[in-house]
Amino acid sequence: QKEVEQNSGPLSVPEGAIASLNCTYSDRVSQSFFWYRQYSGKSPELIMSIYSNGDKEDGRFTAQLNKASQYVSLLIRDSQPSDSATYLCAVSNQAGTALIFGKGTTLSVSS
Amino acid sequence: SQTIHQWPATLVQPVGSPLSLECTVEGTSNPNLYWYRQAAGRGLQLLFYSVGIGQISSEVPQNLSASRPQDRQFILSSKKLLLSDSGFYLCAWSRGNGGELFFGEGSRLTVL
Repeated sequence: QKEVEQNSGPLSVPEGAIASLNCTYSDRVSQSFFWYRQYSGKSPELIMSIYSNGDKEDGRFTAQLNKASQYVSLLIRDSQPSDSATYLCAVSNQAGTALIFGKGTTLSVSS
Repeated sequence: SQTIHQWPATLVQPVGSPLSLECTVEGTSNPNLYWYRQAAGRGLQLLFYSVGIGQISSEVPQNLSASRPQDRQFILSSKKLLLSDSGFYLCAWSRGNGGELFFGEGSRLTVL
């Protein structure tokens, strides 16, 4: 069973700080990697996708991928209380037909 | 733009009763369609996915089934619900393999 692992948290950061969320995956052949944000009681929404090694920046969000270490991370700069949510890491399965999700990390940003 | 809708949003069902959840996608053709379940304390579990009409792949053996009668319609069913079927059911679509998934609003099922 291929797995995606995340620390469940909660990760608590003050407003304006950098939040760092981490994810490891077990299937070396995975090619696509995603971060989703899920507010309590709501469905997940896509934040970032990354397909190649290195960094990808979008506004206050930066995704980092290291395929050799099988590691994906998400940095949130200038964290806001509205960023408080559960962040899900997702990795494509071996066939590329679906995404495997981690259990998520809960982020709490205090004002 | 593409939109995805699923219903009902919330339902409470007795054990042994049937289930039907429906999902439709607008603004795209031939999408990949998915059903995931999120149970309390667990991650998103892939239940079914479909790459075309009538083509269903099951990831987890259980008392649920899925059907795709039309290109942009995906239905999740059960003949007899179990307590363990409670959870948050999410329909999603993607443009193709390996791509981003976009989720519907979700259907919260409580089996009593």
